[in-house]
Amino acid sequence: SYVLTQPPSVSVAPGKTARITCGGNNIGSYSVHWYQQKPGQAPVLVMYYDSDRPSGIPERFSGSNSGNTATLTISRVEAGDEADYYCQVWYSSSDQPVFGGGTKVNVL
Amino acid sequence: EVQLEESGGGLVQPGGSLRLSCAASGFTFSSYEMNWVRQAPGKGLEWVSYIRYTGDTLYYADSVKGRFTISRDNANNSLYLQMNSLRVEDTAVYYCARATPGYWYFDLWGRGTLVTVSS
Repeated sequence: SYVLTQPPSVSVAPGKTARITCGGNNIGSYSVHWYQQKPGQAPVLVMYYDSDRPSGIPERFSGSNSGNTATLTISRVEAGDEADYYCQVWYSSSDQPVFGGGTKVNVL
Repeated sequence: EVQLEESGGGLVQPGGSLRLSCAASGFTFSSYEMNWVRQAPGKGLEWVSYIRYTGDTLYYADSVKGRFTISRDNANNSLYLQMNSLRVEDTAVYYCARATPGYWYFDLWGRGTLVTVSS
């Protein structure tokens, strides 16, 4: 199976930049998608195909993917960005989506 | 309004069965692939099962293979998950999630239904 590794938490001050990493063996050869989940709510897609934003997602959210690491970047962090963030790929070798363990973003 | 709404969760004893439903509205259900994703209390997301928009291709996570069955009724805009031989470790919020054919990300999620397996 394919394993995606995320840091358990990232802390950032308001107005600063948060970078959430997602590590995987040669993840740069996969398309990575990102979800935001606030407490008690369903996940929301915030980035797809590495760096495409769904409509309604602020331009402060951006993504990149290369080598063994994909990154979701949140610029000018706001209090409302505090949430859990999950990366996800489609692992074709076993015909299934795989999620990372999630990263909690704490806004100081 | 485009939405998914799960139902059917509840408390069940180990070894028991439960059938979850997901009602779709506001979009052409028959054009989308559908999935079940679960989240154990305090844990991360775990994909459970997939069904192609035509219903002719099914995938399951190893953890539920042979015990869970996904199905859909395109005429009634509904997705189902039949869960048998339930285990304590199946306790989770179960979400239905939509995907566009050929695009392996989930662009619409329901609010989830809680399944608790306990004696």
